[in-house]
Parts: sequence; structure tokens; C-alpha cells
Amino acid sequence: AQSVSQHNHHVILSEAASLELGCNYSYGGTVNLFWYVQYPGQHLQLLLKYFSGDPLVKGIKGFEAEFIKSKFSFNLRKPSVQWSDTAEYFCAVKVANFGNEKLTFGTGTRLTIIP
Amino acid sequence: DADVTQTPRNRITKTGKRIMLECSQTKGHDRMYWYRQDPGLGLRLIYYSFDVKDINKGEISDGYSVSRQAQAKFSLSLESAIPNQTALYFCATSVTGGRTGELFFGEGSRLTVL
Repeated sequence: AQSVSQHNHHVILSEAASLELGCNYSYGGTVNLFWYVQYPGQHLQLLLKYFSGDPLVKGIKGFEAEFIKSKFSFNLRKPSVQWSDTAEYFCAVKVANFGNEKLTFGTGTRLTIIP
Repeated sequence: DADVTQTPRNRITKTGKRIMLECSQTKGHDRMYWYRQDPGLGLRLIYYSFDVKDINKGEISDGYSVSRQAQAKFSLSLESAIPNQTALYFCATSVTGGRTGELFFGEGSRLTVL
């Protein structure tokens, strides 16, 4: 079974700092990868996703992520964070087989932005 | 109005009580899921349903049961609640057909078992 690791449990940054959140997965086959965001008191929302093609994917609110197959990684980046980016971020993986829609989530990274 | 609606949003109950969390969706999706979220553990899949006649256990189904009453409704039951079932529960939906894989989540149901 696949698994997802997010080693940064809590990240604290000042506004305008650059962000990189790590995500590694374990599965030897083809995967689809996702980042979800959960703002305080809200439900999870999709930030971006990778299915195939260009390994650098861009999402909403200036976020991007790069799929590096050799490293089994899908790290999330943003060049300049804002206070409104304070949230919890979840990486998720899905085995790329038709009929398998189950996502496996990482444990999440709490991001706190200091004004 | 939310596309995926969960009721109740908050519930406090006692050990041994039966609890039902309900989920309804207006997205027309075939697939529905129940996840629980615990601090430091992320989201874990409890049950999922790919259509009305298809129910599957997730990774942590013990102590839970589900019912898919209609395409739009998927309820989660705790037959005899215990304190370690205190968590935030999310219902989610997705489109059949593999390409997207995107889940659409409800607002969550916070359950406290005393």
C-alpha cells in the first residue's frame, strides 16, 4: 500500500519569506499527487494536482509543486508567503489505476505566517 | 449553499451511545467517502462507496458502519461510541472516471465522546 510522509509538522515563517513544504511518497508505480489546504475552521480544498506531463504544476494563490520521480517527492513551494496562507497543508497520493479513487493523505503540515 | 453538507456540525455524546453523522451532496457525484482527522495523524479513510450498491471498508473501519441511502446521501454510524472516536469527521465526494481524483469535502462534523 502507498504511504505519504510530511516531515515538517509545524512551520513558522514571516510574511514575504519563501516556502517549501516536503512531501515524499512510497509506491513504485504510477501515481497521481495532490496538495490540499485547510484554512482555520474550514474544509479541505484542492490547491494543485499532478497527473502527467510537466512535473512542475501550478495551483491557486501562487503555489506550485514539483514532481521528482527519482526522489518520490512532490514538494510544495511559494516564493513569497502572505499572512492569509496560514493553514494546514496536506499532501495526498492516489495510485493511478482506473477505479481506484482512494487518496492516501500525509499527516499534514501546519503553516503559521507571522505578519 | 454548500455542495457537500454534513450534519450535525458538532456533537457531544457519551460512551456507549449510538451516533449517526449524515452527509448529503448536490454535486451529482457517484463516489462518496468518510474520513476522520486527528491531530498529527492527518486524514484516514473509514469507508467509501463508489455507488449505491457498493460499500467498501477503508483503513480504519472497526467500530463504524455506513449506509448509502441514495446517490446523494451517505451516513456514518458509530454503534457504541468510545472516547478514542473523538475526532473531526469529513465526508467527501468525487467524480467517477479516474482522471480527476479530486475530492470535494464537506465542512466537517466535530464529534466528542465523553
